[in-house]
Parts: sequence; structure tokens; C-alpha cells
Amino acid sequence: DGGITQSPKYLFRKEGQNVTLSCEQNLNHDAMYWYRQDPGQGLRLIYYSQIVNDFQKGDIAEGYSVSREKKESFPLTVTSAQKNPTAFYLCASRVSMNTEAFFGQGTRLTVV
Amino acid sequence: GENVEQHPSTLSVQEGDSAVIKCTYSDSASNYFPWYKQELGKRPQLIIDIRSNVGEKKDQRIAVTLNKTAKHFSLHITETQPEDSAVYFCAARATSGGSYIPTFGRGTSLIVHP
Repeated sequence: DGGITQSPKYLFRKEGQNVTLSCEQNLNHDAMYWYRQDPGQGLRLIYYSQIVNDFQKGDIAEGYSVSREKKESFPLTVTSAQKNPTAFYLCASRVSMNTEAFFGQGTRLTVV
Repeated sequence: GENVEQHPSTLSVQEGDSAVIKCTYSDSASNYFPWYKQELGKRPQLIIDIRSNVGEKKDQRIAVTLNKTAKHFSLHITETQPEDSAVYFCAARATSGGSYIPTFGRGTSLIVHP
């Protein structure tokens, strides 16, 4: 299943904690993306990276941080500054400008 | 930036009926329009896409039409089956000279009643 792997599948966070969601791909894709999915909101872009060591903010970057030290990996940290982090998080990657995005299985984050 | 509107948000049909989901986009630079199907708790998966140099594309029971002038595109599912029940997302993006980031619609929850 895949080529793009997210972990963990379920994650619980206490108030005030930072947590990191993993996204790894072995597809040799240059571009990687993080989306947040809430009911009725569709997919909203958090951060994206077109190339190693470079990333850009998406539409809802506040309270999140990312890194892209390796082509295969694009971890997302949900910081304590994100006031409403409970959501389904999807990572995606794309090989070039002319192809579609492939999605990981997602991580469901819940604040307890 | 691009803005994609998708309607309806929920669509309920009887098995065997057709279903149509419509999207509009705002950025005339967008020239690639994929559709994704997301089953409950699973990842979105590409089911069909269309580029701006064609007006229609078919793949078995699904088809997508594009009207560049009006900036809208639609997904058509014929002979619906219960396994078609899912959330469907449209998206739009440019492949050159603009943003390469796909902008998604809010999704349509399709329910097919047996």
C-alpha cells in the first residue's frame, strides 16, 4: 500500500504538548505537502516543500512547523500554539509539476 | 490565489441512478483538475483527472467534463453502486507559470442507497 507512509495512525496529545507526525516516501518525489482535514472543511494546506531544505507556509501554517532535511521525509510538528489541533492530517507527495498527488493513510490527532 | 467551490456538500441517490458533482474555480491559470475519492477513514485516491486541452474524459462509469470558459468542471458517475459511497474532492492547479499547489473543494459526501 503505497510508497508514502504516515505514522502513527492515531495520536493523542495532552494540552500544551508538542507532537510530531511522521511522513516518509520512497517514491523519489520532490514535492511533499501537509493537509489538515476537518469535517465540512475539505483539505486545507498547512505547509509544502518543493525541494529538500526548502519549505513554504500554506493557508493555515500558524501553530505548525516542518522540516525537510531529507527528500524522503517531511515531518510535521503540531506545537502548543495550535489551539485546535484535533483533526485528520494527510501528507501527500508528487513527482513533478505535471502529475497528481499521492496521499498517505493519514494520522488522526486528538487532544485529550 | 485559487478558489475552488464544490457542490453539493451531500448527495444521496438510489443504486443505479446517476450522480453529478460540480466544481468551479477562479484562477484562469489552472489547467489540471483531478478528482479524488476518500472512503471513510482512508486516504484520498485519484479516480480521474482532466487537463484543460480536453473537454471530457471517461473511465468506465465515471466521467469528467470541463468548461474552461465558464471555469467549471463536473464529475459524473453512472449506474451508481453502494461501493461508490464516499467523499469526493475536486481540485484545481496550474502546471506551469503559476501555483503548482492543488486547491481542493470542500468535498461531497455521496451516499448510494441499495
